[in-house]
Amino acid sequence: SQTIHQWPATLVQPVGSPLSLECTVEGTSNPNLYWYRQAAGRGLQLLFYSVGIGQISSEVPQNLSASRPQDRQFILSSKKLLLSDSGFYLCAWSVSRDTQYFGPGTRLTVL
Amino acid sequence: GENVEQHPSTLSVQEGDSAVIKCTYSDSASNYFPWYKQELGKRPQLIIDIRSNVGEKKDQRIAVTLNKTAKHFSLHITETQPEDSAVYFCAAMRGNEKLTFGTGTRLTIIP
Repeated sequence: SQTIHQWPATLVQPVGSPLSLECTVEGTSNPNLYWYRQAAGRGLQLLFYSVGIGQISSEVPQNLSASRPQDRQFILSSKKLLLSDSGFYLCAWSVSRDTQYFGPGTRLTVL
Repeated sequence: GENVEQHPSTLSVQEGDSAVIKCTYSDSASNYFPWYKQELGKRPQLIIDIRSNVGEKKDQRIAVTLNKTAKHFSLHITETQPEDSAVYFCAAMRGNEKLTFGTGTRLTIIP
């Protein structure tokens, strides 16, 4: 069966520091991968999605970037974090491009 | 693009009663409608979904109905239990494009 991993689970970073969050999927090939952000008590905002290695689509202009160096690996990065980057970051995968399954998430606090 | 509105934002029901959450969508070409349940601090979990060729789908105490003409779909939970307390998100997708989420409904089951 398919599983999705995210790490770290929690992260506290100072403003202006870099960021790297990782997501990996097991048990499937060529998944579609997604990064979402959820601010406290809010809905789900799509940040990036990828349909294949090296293919990244950005949804919201911001100081974040994404990369997909391997088929089942999706990385979210920032060179300099802002206070507004705090939130719950969720990676998701799909095969059929409709049903999406979420990873356990990374809770990021920027101080 | 697609726009999904979800109502109500909060809902409290007595244990054993039914709960109904409604969503409307703007793009008549949308054809996939999932519902997610998110418990506090956890990832969203898919609980039921429906495609546009079906008007209703049921899974034990949970059902979803779809009215394509009116462009709205609803989640019905019967015989509610304390463990049904969570935030519920609806979403809509056109073809193989991105999921657009509603803003969420916080459901509280009163013992």
